[in-house]
Parts: sequence; structure tokens; C-alpha cells
Amino acid sequence: NAGVTQTPKFRVLKTGQSMTLLCAQDMNHEYMYWYRQDPGMGLRLIHYSVGEGTTAKGEVPDGYNVSRLKKQNFLLGLESAAPSQTSVYFCASSFTAPDYGYTFGSGTRLTVV
Amino acid sequence: AQSVTQLDSHVSVSEGTPVLLRCNYSSSYSPSLFWYVQHPNKGLQLLLKYTSAATLVKGINGFEAEFKKSETSFHLTKPSAHMSDAAEYFCVVSDGPGSARQLTFGSGTQLTVLP
Repeated sequence: NAGVTQTPKFRVLKTGQSMTLLCAQDMNHEYMYWYRQDPGMGLRLIHYSVGEGTTAKGEVPDGYNVSRLKKQNFLLGLESAAPSQTSVYFCASSFTAPDYGYTFGSGTRLTVV
Repeated sequence: AQSVTQLDSHVSVSEGTPVLLRCNYSSSYSPSLFWYVQHPNKGLQLLLKYTSAATLVKGINGFEAEFKKSETSFHLTKPSAHMSDAAEYFCVVSDGPGSARQLTFGSGTQLTVLP
């Protein structure tokens, strides 16, 4: 099925561990985004990419890194996980600018203990 | 800078009665506005969008929203609620120049539909 696929769906990390979240889209979208969702705060933009090989910081980038080596993939890395990074992470993509609307993945629920 | 305020964190309606979810925004440019819906443990789905065409926008599942520039509002309505409408709804504004244009999400409104 066409869309945005996030891997893994669930993960528990210990403080200080590292991990990478993978986002893959098969719609040939240029723009890709990583958001985190916390109760009562809506979605907040972590990093985004406007094309292969490009990345930019969003509203809450600290503690995260990203890479977009291939157009269809957007990776989110946590180098040293902290309990404050416990959240649900969503990846999204759009054809060009956000005005065309986003396609969201189903989310990754991350718990840092 | 852009911002979005969803005026109600929770709304409860009875099945078959109208739904009103309120959203106000602020914007420095010509904004585009969206409503997204999120069902439990799911990703977000686009309900409808306003991008400077008709001010009354119709979306999926019988929802519609009206862009009122003078009131800086973009309220979501539906004439008759269905049990399947129970979900969290996000009002979103897209603003900014060129490729820096980004979405800003409201904090969400949880809609409960009572039988």
C-alpha cells in the first residue's frame, strides 16, 4: 500500500542508549518531516527535509539528528536517550510545500526508562 | 510568527447532534489552514484544507469549515455526529515564505460522541 511506513512501532530504551527510527515513503514526495506528539501539546516539529541530502531544524531539534541519504527515507536518531524523549513520534511527507497536505505514518511509541 | 489556538480541549456531543470544534489562528503571511483527525493509536488524516480559494471548505465524512479572516477563525462543523467521529482533531496553520513554509499544530480537541 502506498504511504508512509515507520519502523519500529514500539520501543523501550534505557537512558543513555541510542536508536534510529526509520521513515519510508513510496509516493516520490520531496518533503519529509519528523514530529513528536505529547499530551496537550499537539505535534511539534523536530527536523525536516525539503529534498534528498538536505535537512533542517524544526521547533524542538535538541537531542535528535536526522539524515536523508535517499529521497524515500528519512531517519531520526537519538544518540543518548533521555526520559524527556518519551513520546510518540510521527513521520510525514508532502509532495512539495505543506499546503498540499501531509501523509502521516502510524507512529512510533518510544519509552525511555 | 504563526500560532493556532483550539478553544476547547474536550467536546462531548450526542449522536445525531451538530458538532462545532473551534479554532483561532494568527499569521504573518497568507496562511493555509487544515483540519486533521487522529483516531486512537493511528496517524493523522487530512479532513479538509483552505488554501485561499472558497472560504467555505468541505471535507471528508460530512465535515466542513469556514475561513473567516476578520475573526481569524477556522471552525470545524458537522450537522450530525456519528459514533465513528469520536477522535482527536487538530487545527493546523501553514505559514511562512517559500520552502520555509511549515505547519503549526494546535493542541487538539478530543471529541466524544455519546449514544
